[in-house]
Amino acid sequence: GAVVSQHPSWVICKSGTSVKIECRSLDFQATTMFWYRQFPKQSLMLMATSNEGSKATYEQGVEKDKFLINHASLTLSTLTVTSAHPEDSSFYICSASTLLAGGTDTQYFGPGTRLTVL
Amino acid sequence: DAKTTQPTSMDCAEGRAANLPCNHSTISGNEYVYWYRQIHSQGPQYIIHGLKNNETNEMASLIITEDRKSSTLILPHATLRDTAVYYCIVGPTGRRALTFGSGTRLQVQP
Repeated sequence: GAVVSQHPSWVICKSGTSVKIECRSLDFQATTMFWYRQFPKQSLMLMATSNEGSKATYEQGVEKDKFLINHASLTLSTLTVTSAHPEDSSFYICSASTLLAGGTDTQYFGPGTRLTVL
Repeated sequence: DAKTTQPTSMDCAEGRAANLPCNHSTISGNEYVYWYRQIHSQGPQYIIHGLKNNETNEMASLIITEDRKSSTLILPHATLRDTAVYYCIVGPTGRRALTFGSGTRLQVQP
C-alpha cells in the first residue's frame, strides 16, 4: 500500500513558540493532502485541505493564521502551528489520496505527530 | 456525505471471526463504503473499501447488503493486534476529506 510519513512523531515546545510538522507521500504524488486533529478520547476532525501550488482550504473554526499550511510539492505538505498554546496540544495527522490498482482513490494516513505545548 | 452508525464497542475472542456492523441508510449511489482502523496513538490504517460488491483482501472482507444501507467488516481470525477502533466511513471518493464518526472499539480477548 501507499506510505505517508510524518515528522516529527512527537514534539514538546514552550508556549508562544512555533512548530512545523511535515507530511510526505513516500511512493506516490499527491495533489491534495488533508490535515486532521485528534484530541484525547475523541475522533479525528478535519482541519484543512492542502492543495499543491495553491492556498489551503480551512474548516470552519480553524484559524488560518495560526495553522499555516504549505504544499510546496506533490510529495510534501507542512503544517506550522504558530504561537502555540497549551490548548493546541493534540495529535495531528495528515493524509493523502492515491489511485489504487482497480481505479479508486483511497486515502492513506500518516502515523501522526503528538504535540505537547507547555 | 452519508452518516454512519456503528456500535460503540465489541469484544471478540482471539482466533474467532470479528464481525463489525455499520449502518449507512442514507448512502447515495456514488458513495463508497470505507473501513479504517486506528490502533492507540497511531494514524488510521486503511483496511478495505467497496461500492456495491463484496470485497476481500489480505486483511478483511467487506459485505455490503444489496440495498447498500448497511455493511459488515469481517476479520476472519482476530488476533490481539486487531484490538483497535474501527471506523466505517461513507464518501464519494478518497480524494475528498473523510468524516470520522466515533467508530467501534474492538477488544480482542485472549
